[in-house]
Amino acid sequence: AQTVTQSQPEMSVQEAETVTLSCTYDTSENNYYLFWYKQPPSRQMILVIRQEAYKQQNATENRFSVNFQKAAKSFSLKISDSQLGDTAMYFCAFGGYQKVTFGIGTKLQVIP
Amino acid sequence: SQTIHQWPATLVQPVGSPLSLECTVEGTSNPNLYWYRQAAGRGLQLLFYSVGIGQISSEVPQNLSASRPQDRQFILSSKKLLLSDSGFYLCAWSDRPYEQYFGPGTRLTVT
Repeated sequence: AQTVTQSQPEMSVQEAETVTLSCTYDTSENNYYLFWYKQPPSRQMILVIRQEAYKQQNATENRFSVNFQKAAKSFSLKISDSQLGDTAMYFCAFGGYQKVTFGIGTKLQVIP
Repeated sequence: SQTIHQWPATLVQPVGSPLSLECTVEGTSNPNLYWYRQAAGRGLQLLFYSVGIGQISSEVPQNLSASRPQDRQFILSSKKLLLSDSGFYLCAWSDRPYEQYFGPGTRLTVT
């Protein structure tokens, strides 16, 4: 079974600064995806970024980028130029063939 | 484009009453469908998933059940609610391996 660990329950960052959220996972699978989901106060889960395990290049989506270290089973999310709208819970997730396993989340507060 | 709907958005039910939450997906066919529960301040717990009509896999034994009467319809039910059933229920779909998209959720309060 896969496990996903997010060791930072809460984080804060000043507006316009950069913040990195950590995630580690454990699996014996070779083909998988990794995701970061955002859950703002509205509680709608929004897919922020995805990484295919067989790709060495780190994924980037505008201000969001990941640092994927496959051997270390690490998958961190970097948010650049933080904005107030980035305030949310962030969930790291491991995507297997049929199921996705989620971490317990990191609550990010962007401070004006 | 694909959309996913859940209703009701909010529900308050007494202990021992039945439950029916509905999820429908538009714009895709034969999706995988999922029910999750999120307790306050917690992560997502997978309850059920379905890869086709009538095919339901249960992840956690409890007093909830799920059904998929149509290709794009997924229903979460209970005959008698418990206080511990309170939480935020999310439905999700996927049409390819690995990636899921979520509905807006239902906030259930059992009193």
